Amino acid sequence: AQTVTQSQPEMSVQEAETVTLSCTYDTSESDYYLFWYKQPPSRQMILVIRQEAYKQQNATENRFSVNFQKAAKSFSLKISDSQLGDAAMYFCAYRSANNAGNMLTFGGGTRLMVKP
Amino acid sequence: DGGITQSPKYLFRKEGQNVTLSCEQNLNHDAMYWYRQDPGQGLRLIYYSQIVNDFQKGDIAEGYSVSREKKESFPLTVTSAQKNPTAFYLCASSYTLAYEQYFGPGTRLTVT
Repeated sequence: AQTVTQSQPEMSVQEAETVTLSCTYDTSESDYYLFWYKQPPSRQMILVIRQEAYKQQNATENRFSVNFQKAAKSFSLKISDSQLGDAAMYFCAYRSANNAGNMLTFGGGTRLMVKP
Repeated sequence: DGGITQSPKYLFRKEGQNVTLSCEQNLNHDAMYWYRQDPGQGLRLIYYSQIVNDFQKGDIAEGYSVSREKKESFPLTVTSAQKNPTAFYLCASSYTLAYEQYFGPGTRLTVT
């Protein structure tokens, strides 16, 4: 079974600075997808960014980018120019490309605090 | 506006009572999902449905039941058999099983 680990329960960053959230995963599969979701205090899960394992290029969405290291099974999220609205729980998630159920496996989450 | 709605936002029940959580989507998505989130933890899949009149158990289906009579609706019943029902419940949907899941705002269930 796949597992997803987020080793940083909490992180803090100064407004306008850059922060990196870590995620590692364990799988024997070669084809899969990785996601970062944001959960603000409203508790609604918002998709931040997605990475296909077969793509070598790291995904980027505006201020959010990932560092995908397939061999190391690492998938970190970098937030540039941090804003107060970035404060939230961030969850890393894994999905097999062969998963008939589209089941997401989530990490335990990292709480990001942004200091003004 | 297209989206996923869950009602109510907060729900309180006495132990031993069944309770049904609502999830509706107007995104024309075929697939729908129910997740449970406990404090300080990630989400765990309860049930999912890829099409009307079909659903499958997830990782923690015991004590829960679902139905999918309409494409737009996927209600979750928390039965009295669920040992620890107090949690935050999130519904999600996707175009098909192969596409990204989008989440509703969630329902906080408290059972005393």
